[in-house]
Amino acid sequence: GQSLEQPSEVTAVEGAIVQINCTYQTSGFYGLSWYQQHDGGAPTFLSYNALDGLEETGRFSSFLSRSDSYGYLLLQELQMKDSASYFCAVLPNAGKSTFGDGTTLTVKP
Amino acid sequence: EAQVTQNPRYLITVTGKKLTVTCSQNMNHEYMSWYRQDPGLGLRQIYYSMNVEVTDKGDVPEGYKVSRKEKRNFPLILESPSPNQTSLYFCASSFNSPVSGANVLTFGAGSRLTVL
Repeated sequence: GQSLEQPSEVTAVEGAIVQINCTYQTSGFYGLSWYQQHDGGAPTFLSYNALDGLEETGRFSSFLSRSDSYGYLLLQELQMKDSASYFCAVLPNAGKSTFGDGTTLTVKP
Repeated sequence: EAQVTQNPRYLITVTGKKLTVTCSQNMNHEYMSWYRQDPGLGLRQIYYSMNVEVTDKGDVPEGYKVSRKEKRNFPLILESPSPNQTSLYFCASSFNSPVSGANVLTFGAGSRLTVL
């Protein structure tokens, strides 16, 4: 089976940088995705890594190390609107996806 | 507008009364999937479909059925709902890359189901 671990809560101040870690165990691996969810609304896709290294999309970056079964999401220049839950999700095959329990990010002024 | 549409958005029902939650996407995505989300937990995959007439179980399929007769629609059927199926349900779709899989999901707004 698959399992993922990520911190349950993270707090940071506006303008800062925050890193949300995700470690996983999986029987197969296509890639690691990251999603953002505000207050029980629809999750929205942020980033995807299939290969080791860093993927950058504006203020958001995601990193993957397949050998360490580890990834992280990096959020720069934090804004109040970044307060949300962030989920990592591992794809053990082309169709299955297993999500972590989410990290609640609180951005303070 | 590209979107995934779920209905109903809110439903209160009673134990044993069959119900269907519809899901439709207008992006010509091959892949569709259903998830449930319970308080404090991540999304758990119920069923997914790689293409028309191709469905497979996710991590929590018990008590649910799906069908994929058309590319755009992927209904979730609860034949005999029970209180432990009270949850927030999300439908999602994606293109299915042979290299990356269904890696960029577009989610519907969610359907909040209460079973009494």
